[in-house]
Amino acid sequence: GAGVSQSPRYKVAKRGQDVALRCDPISGHVSLFWYQQALGQGPEFLTYFQNEAQLDKSGLPSDRFFAERPEGSVSTLKIQRTQQEDSAVYLCASSWQGLETQYFGPGTRLLVL
Amino acid sequence: QKEVEQNSGPLSVPEGAIASLNCTYSDRGSQSFFWYRQYSGKSPELIMFIYSNGDKEDGRFTAQLNKASQYVSLLIRDSQPSDSATYLCAVGSRSNDYKLSFGAGTTVTVRA
Repeated sequence: GAGVSQSPRYKVAKRGQDVALRCDPISGHVSLFWYQQALGQGPEFLTYFQNEAQLDKSGLPSDRFFAERPEGSVSTLKIQRTQQEDSAVYLCASSWQGLETQYFGPGTRLLVL
Repeated sequence: QKEVEQNSGPLSVPEGAIASLNCTYSDRGSQSFFWYRQYSGKSPELIMFIYSNGDKEDGRFTAQLNKASQYVSLLIRDSQPSDSATYLCAVGSRSNDYKLSFGAGTTVTVRA
């Protein structure tokens, strides 16, 4: 079946703009994760959903970051008033349940100028 | 101290040789350990997971876990040029298994 998809694949934003990143998990996957990956680093956990419930948002770097998954499927990561330090690849992953294999999407590469 | 540390790269090995990748972690209570491969510009893909002390083999890959030493490794036997990638070690949190902490990765180059 189809894997995790993300859109857009690339996003250039001017500092101060708001951006929205979309993730379509694998159909039927209960768990959904967002990660931030800076150049040359491993992914850093941002937030975790089980169905529509956001169970952990401890990794969100500031209150400018907001994620939702209103119907338990598609998720959106929103970054308000983007800053240059927000430039990174944002990865979405999904799994059947939290502990099992996480399947990653292709990521959205965000560049804030 | 970072939660997950990997041996610094890059690691260059000749084709057919064994590539050895090391990872240490700080949370003694961690129970789940994963190795992901990431090609340049691509997303991570799971190679192996290991939960128990000892060795786990899957094809040319062997993961080794030593919880007492807080150490996990990945061996790639008969390395191929297609194995050239960055390898990420990930550790599940003791309190929240879903929460993975990743190392910075080790870049492996297999020379033909």
